[in-house]
Amino acid sequence: DAGVIQSPRHEVTEMGQEVTLRCKPISGHDYLFWYRQTMMRGLELLIYFNNNVPIDDSGMPEDRFSAKMPNASFSTLKIQPSEPRDSAVYFCASSYGTGPNEQFFGPGTRLTVL
Amino acid sequence: AQTVTQSQPEMSVQEAETVTLSCTYDTSESDYYLFWYKQPPSRQMILVIRQEAYKQQNATENRFSVNFQKAAKSFSLKISDSQLGDAAMYFCAHTGANSKLTFGKGITLSVRP
Repeated sequence: DAGVIQSPRHEVTEMGQEVTLRCKPISGHDYLFWYRQTMMRGLELLIYFNNNVPIDDSGMPEDRFSAKMPNASFSTLKIQPSEPRDSAVYFCASSYGTGPNEQFFGPGTRLTVL
Repeated sequence: AQTVTQSQPEMSVQEAETVTLSCTYDTSESDYYLFWYKQPPSRQMILVIRQEAYKQQNATENRFSVNFQKAAKSFSLKISDSQLGDAAMYFCAHTGANSKLTFGKGITLSVRP
């Protein structure tokens, strides 16, 4: 298996622009998670899905952020409009079940908003 | 709310020596799971070891082992025979019934040749 795939790996955009991050989870996994990593706040869970349904989005910072999972093999995280404080590394992870089951992380997308 | 605390921001170890990374957590749940993840400079998150709270036996994975003290809510990682490739950021994490992984701030481990 190719693992969790994220695109793009790097994104540089200007303030006010729309940004879309993409994720393909590992086939067969029923949970998908979006995290954000910054120096100040560390790793934070933004939202997670179970069987394509959003379960908990309490970590989404504000209405400018939205996430979708239209099918089991694809998810997007959108920021509109983007702001410089959104600059971070965004990770997607997937797992089969939860509890002790490992979350497999993608390589992350480094977002820079100028 | 679940919290995970890693109070040491950095540590250094001599190659081939042993190092212990500390972690404490707080939870009101009786059934939960603890993890250590490694993040090398490539930034890929890699699972190192996991521990189920109901298991008294400490988990071990080759050179990596944990010291799980449930009453003290402590979960430290011991790396034996440290190698240059162990240099990375290490994150302690907790999950419970809500399926959400809560991470500590991480510790940067450097390995001296």
